[in-house]
Amino acid sequence: GENVEQHPSTLSVQEGDSAVIKCTYSDSASNYFPWYKQELGKGPQLIIDIRSNVGEKKDQRIAVTLNKTAKHFSLHITETQPEDSAVYFCAASTTGGGADGLTFGKGTHLIIQP
Amino acid sequence: DAGVIQSPRHEVTEMGQEVTLRCKPISGHNSLFWYRQTMMRGLELLIYFNNNVPIDDSGMPEDRFSAKMPNASFSTLKIQPSEPRDSAVYFCANREFYGYTFGSGTRLTVV
Repeated sequence: GENVEQHPSTLSVQEGDSAVIKCTYSDSASNYFPWYKQELGKGPQLIIDIRSNVGEKKDQRIAVTLNKTAKHFSLHITETQPEDSAVYFCAASTTGGGADGLTFGKGTHLIIQP
Repeated sequence: DAGVIQSPRHEVTEMGQEVTLRCKPISGHNSLFWYRQTMMRGLELLIYFNNNVPIDDSGMPEDRFSAKMPNASFSTLKIQPSEPRDSAVYFCANREFYGYTFGSGTRLTVV
């Protein structure tokens, strides 16, 4: 089955700086890679996703890149703000996020220092 | 739409007792997933349903765990008997066109 590794487990950055979280996956058949943000006491919330037919996707301050050859993908947050503090999860799926469900990384606790 | 609704939000029970977690999915969404979240193991897929039918329950840890989806509006995850190592946050989620929508979770503590 799929295995997703995520690094780092904790990331502390100064407000206004950029943050990068990296994930690798094992199953070359995986074709859907979402990122989730989880705030305290809440369920994970989808913030951005990318499919295997593109290499990069942006949404305002958030971007995701995918390298299928190397089987890794990354989340980039620019101009970080206090409300970006949360736990971020990457995930992978072989069926476009369909019936197989998602395999999640272990999460990154992002801390934005004022 | 109120999203995915889970109940209870918190459950504390004694070892050996039966526990039932409940999920009301988003209306019209026919894929439902149960996940378990712990510090050690992260988010693990337990079981998923499609059109109320269990498709894959290979993530269910033991026979003590069972899940049902009697109709499109309701699903339950039951643990009987419960053990302290079952303590975790349990989420259900719907699959939508743009990713998954999770409920707020049930924090289960077995003492």
